[in-house]
Amino acid sequence: DAKTTQPPSMDCAEGRAANLPCNHSTISGNEYVYWYRQIHSQGPQYIIHGLKNNETNEMASLIITEDRKSSTLILPHATLRDTAVYYCIVRPGAHTGNQFYFGTGTSLTVIP
Amino acid sequence: DARVTQTPRHKVTEMGQEVTMRCQPILGHNTVFWYRQTMMQGLELLAYFRNRAPLDDSGMPKDRFSAEMPDATLATLKIQPSEPRDSAVYFCASGSDSTDTQYFGPGTRLTVL
Repeated sequence: DAKTTQPPSMDCAEGRAANLPCNHSTISGNEYVYWYRQIHSQGPQYIIHGLKNNETNEMASLIITEDRKSSTLILPHATLRDTAVYYCIVRPGAHTGNQFYFGTGTSLTVIP
Repeated sequence: DARVTQTPRHKVTEMGQEVTMRCQPILGHNTVFWYRQTMMQGLELLAYFRNRAPLDDSGMPKDRFSAEMPDATLATLKIQPSEPRDSAVYFCASGSDSTDTQYFGPGTRLTVL
């Protein structure tokens, strides 16, 4: 049960910011929001995760709404290598070892 | 740069044959996960282990699939007998309670003729 809703596909111009939305209206208080991506023929790659505060790392930023019912992954300057399927996942909190349930994700195409 | 390794990367076999896929988790990780990916079903969790003990294999067809961790550096997924519908990419991932993320291997692409 993926518990998230994402648009099936999006396009983004190279060099522009890519903003990928995710709805998780049934998220529980102890559930984190995770983002992974899968480049064609490779294993999924961890991007970022957060509980309620916005997070930023070298790959992306994660913006979580105050009510935590939705979030946005931001790739600040998309490159062609960012073309991939992006998965938004919610799961119980840190250090539980619980599994990830991947939904269908958003297929992002970065256009030259 | 620590990585999850999987062997073989590609396997073509005939229906009815036994298939064994191997995974070496990142050293120090205590959780291991097996996923299967097909165009129709996407990424499905088959089984996962914590500290080498199987915690959940409800996603795995029990009559033909088995998953084990003989030691902390090796996880195996076996299919016996294999069927054409088992054709998929099988991913192994490892994680730890301290990192709370999963790191995926490159996958084994299985084709059963």
